[in-house]
This record gives sequence, structure tokens and C-alpha cells, in this order.
Amino acid sequence: QVQLVQSGAEVKKPGSSVKVSCKASGGTFSSYTISWVRQAPGQGLEWMGRIIPILGIANYAQKFQGRVTITADKSTSTAYMELSSLRSEDTAVYYCARAISAYFDLWGRGTLVTVSS
Amino acid sequence: EIVLTQSPGTLSLSPGERATLSCRASQSVSSSYLAWYQQKPGQAPRLLIYGASSRATGIPDRFSGSGSGTDFTLTISRLEPEDFAVYYCQQYGSSRTWTFGQGTKVEIK
Repeated sequence: QVQLVQSGAEVKKPGSSVKVSCKASGGTFSSYTISWVRQAPGQGLEWMGRIIPILGIANYAQKFQGRVTITADKSTSTAYMELSSLRSEDTAVYYCARAISAYFDLWGRGTLVTVSS
Repeated sequence: EIVLTQSPGTLSLSPGERATLSCRASQSVSSSYLAWYQQKPGQAPRLLIYGASSRATGIPDRFSGSGSGTDFTLTISRLEPEDFAVYYCQQYGSSRTWTFGQGTKVEIK
């Protein structure tokens, strides 16, 4: 049974970058896509972008264009999300999620990123 | 970009009651691309319904989805204690992007 295992919590300074990983444990990415979705404290879900790991092609929500980079390493079945120029509003739980077609059937447990001076 | 508006923001009901949650899109959405998720505190979202009306694996049949075009509904026929949570609708757009509604919290009355 495939699980998405995310890296641990991070504390970052404003203006810095963070890179979160998501490994498909017990399987591979196969032909799925991997998206990143974030959730600020007490708020809703916000889609950030996705990658098609077998092709290495990514696309992003307009809000995050230029500030987020999503990559994938097929050899280790690991996806990465790097967010730069961090500000306090980026404090959130960041989830990776596997998409079959148009919906997310498998989610990681989330990585808390705290941005604080 | 398609905006999804969920209503009500909060639904206060008792166990055993019926819950009806609405998701309205700013433009027509393909039914194939509309999904619903449940999220409990401290947990990742869980897929409930995909393709507007198909239950995901392991989802009890008290959950049902319906709708088309711009209006979609998630119905929980008889609320169980474990159903009190936040519910999100989600759509996948032609620009290969996803959007979520702002969520409906179903709380115990």
C-alpha cells in the first residue's frame, strides 16, 4: 500500500526558503501527478501546484508563480516543493497529494512550516 | 479561474439528522471534475466523492453527491458521531489547476 511520507516540521526566517519532500513509500509515482496543497491555521485548503513525475512537467497556481518550484526525483519516488521569499502568511501545513485524474485519492500527513523572526 | 462557494459556512445538527451541503461554481464545471473531501482536526483531507456522485473506496453509503453545471450537493443521510468535520468541494479546471471551496463545518448541535 503506497503512502506519501513527508519531511518534518520546519521553522524559517522571513525572506528565506523552505524545501519540503514527499516520498511515495511502498510504491512509485507511476503515472499519477503530485500536487501540493497548503492550509494556514484555521483556514481552508489552497492548491499551489503539481508535477507529473514521469515527465518532470510542473504547473502552478497563479498566486504562487515565481515563488514556488515543484520537482520530482523518479529514481527515489520523491517530490519536492520549494517556496521562497517566505513571509509570516506562509505559515501553514503543507500537504502533498496524489491525483488520479481530477481528484486527490492519497494525501501525506502534512508538514508544518512556521515563518517567524 | 472558477470560484467555488460553499454554503452554509457552519451547519449545526444532531446525530441521526440529515445534512445537506451546497457547492456553487462561478462557471459551469464538468461533473467528472467535481469532488468532495472530509477533514477532521489534525488530519489530512479524505476523499469522499469524485465525479460529483461516485463514492470513494470505503466511504459509507450514507454519503452521496449530486448535481451538475454550477450547483452540486453533498448529502449525509443520517449523521454519525464521526461525521462531524469540515467538508470541502474541489474542482479541476481546463487550465490544469485545482480550486477548493472555503469549506462547510458540520458541528454537533
